[in-house]
Amino acid sequence: DIQMTQSPSSLSASVGDRVTITCQASQDIRNCLNWYQQKPGKAPKLLIYDASNLEAGVPSRFSGNISGADYTFTISSLQPDDVATYYCQQYDNLSLFGPGTKVDIK
Amino acid sequence: QVQLVQSGAEVKKPGASVRVSCKASGYTFTNFGVTWVRQAPGQGLEWMGWIGKDNGDTKYAQKFRGRVAMTADTSTSTAYMELRRLTSDDTALYYCARDRGRPSQFDYWGQGTLVTVSS
Repeated sequence: DIQMTQSPSSLSASVGDRVTITCQASQDIRNCLNWYQQKPGKAPKLLIYDASNLEAGVPSRFSGNISGADYTFTISSLQPDDVATYYCQQYDNLSLFGPGTKVDIK
Repeated sequence: QVQLVQSGAEVKKPGASVRVSCKASGYTFTNFGVTWVRQAPGQGLEWMGWIGKDNGDTKYAQKFRGRVAMTADTSTSTAYMELRRLTSDDTALYYCARDRGRPSQFDYWGQGTLVTVSS
C-alpha cells in the first residue's frame, strides 16, 4: 500500500513569507498528486492538480512542483486568508490523502 | 453553478447502517464520477471510494471493502453512500465530491454530512 507523508505537520509564518510544504509517497506515483486547502468548518478546495497545475481561479501565489521524489507546495507570499490546513492527495493507486499541514500566521 | 447538496445529519447506534445522499446540479452528472471522503473530529481527510460516471463502476479503499456500498441514480443525479456495521470510529463528517477521473481530482464538494455513532 502507498503511504503518504507531509512535512512539516504545522508551521507558523509571517505575512509575506514564502512557505513550502513537502509531500512524499512511499512509491512512484507518477506525478498523480493534487493539493487541497481546507479552512476550519469548510469543505476542502482543490488548488493544484497533477503536481504543478494551478486550478482555475486560484491565486498565483500558490504553486506546486516536483523535486526528485518529493512533491512541493509553495505559497510565495503568505496572506492572512491562507490560514488553513493543506493536504496532498495521490491518485496513482486508488487515492490517499497525506496527513495535512496546518498553516497559521505568526 | 455546480452544486452538491448532501442529506442531513444522522445519529446511529453501533451495528446499524447509514445512507448518505449527494444530489448534484449545474453539470451533466454522467460526465463525472463521485468520490466520498470522510473526516473524523479533529482529524485529517480519508478517501473512502469512488463511483464512476456511467456504468456504476466502483473502487473502494481497502479499509472499507465489504462494509461500504456506493451507488448512483442518474435519473435524479444523486449519488449514495451506505456504510454498514457502524462503530464509534465511524463518527465523522462525510463529504461527497465531483471527481474528474477514476479517481483523480475532486473539484466540487458537498457541504458534508455529520454521522454520529453512539449507543
